[in-house]
Amino acid sequence: AQTVTQSQPEMSVQEAETVTLSCTYDTSENNYYLFWYKQPPSRQMILVIRQEAYKQQNATENRFSVNFQKAAKSFSLKISDSQLGDTAMYFCAFMKSQNTGNQFYFGTGTSLTVIP
Amino acid sequence: DAGVIQSPRHEVTEMGQEVTLRCKPISGHNSLFWYRQTMMRGLELLIYFNNNVPIDDSGMPEDRFSAKMPNASFSTLKIQPSEPRDSAVYFCASSQGTVPGPQHFGDGTRLSIL
Repeated sequence: AQTVTQSQPEMSVQEAETVTLSCTYDTSENNYYLFWYKQPPSRQMILVIRQEAYKQQNATENRFSVNFQKAAKSFSLKISDSQLGDTAMYFCAFMKSQNTGNQFYFGTGTSLTVIP
Repeated sequence: DAGVIQSPRHEVTEMGQEVTLRCKPISGHNSLFWYRQTMMRGLELLIYFNNNVPIDDSGMPEDRFSAKMPNASFSTLKIQPSEPRDSAVYFCASSQGTVPGPQHFGDGTRLSIL
């Protein structure tokens, strides 16, 4: 079974600074996908960024980027120039495809607070 | 494009009552997932369907919970009888099945059992 571990239950960062959220996973699969979701206080689950395991280049979406280390099974999220609106719970997710549909595994989340 | 639509957004009811949560997945998505989120247990997968067929219901807590997907555009999660410990936010999510891609979540139903 796949497991996803987020070892930082809570983090805080000063506005405009950079913060990195960690995520590790355990799998024997070679082809899979990784995602970061953001859940603000409004409780919506919002897709932030995705990474295909077969791609060596790290994904980037504006101020959000990942450091994907396939051999180490690590998938950290870097938020640059943190903004107050980045305050949220962040979930790391692993996905593998199989003939019965895509299966998803979520970490326990990291609560990020951006301090003004 | 319309996202995943859940109803109701909030539900407050007394213990012992039947509760039905509804979900409309994104058109063209053939996998549907029901999750429960609480402070204590985090995000738990209850059940998921592929092509309207339940694939894994090992997360369904007990017989009081049941889920159906009668067609590709509609699913229900039912709790009967409800108990206070069922209070949580319930999310529905959909994805494109075997085409690799993210899950898209609905806005969730906040359920309070008194």
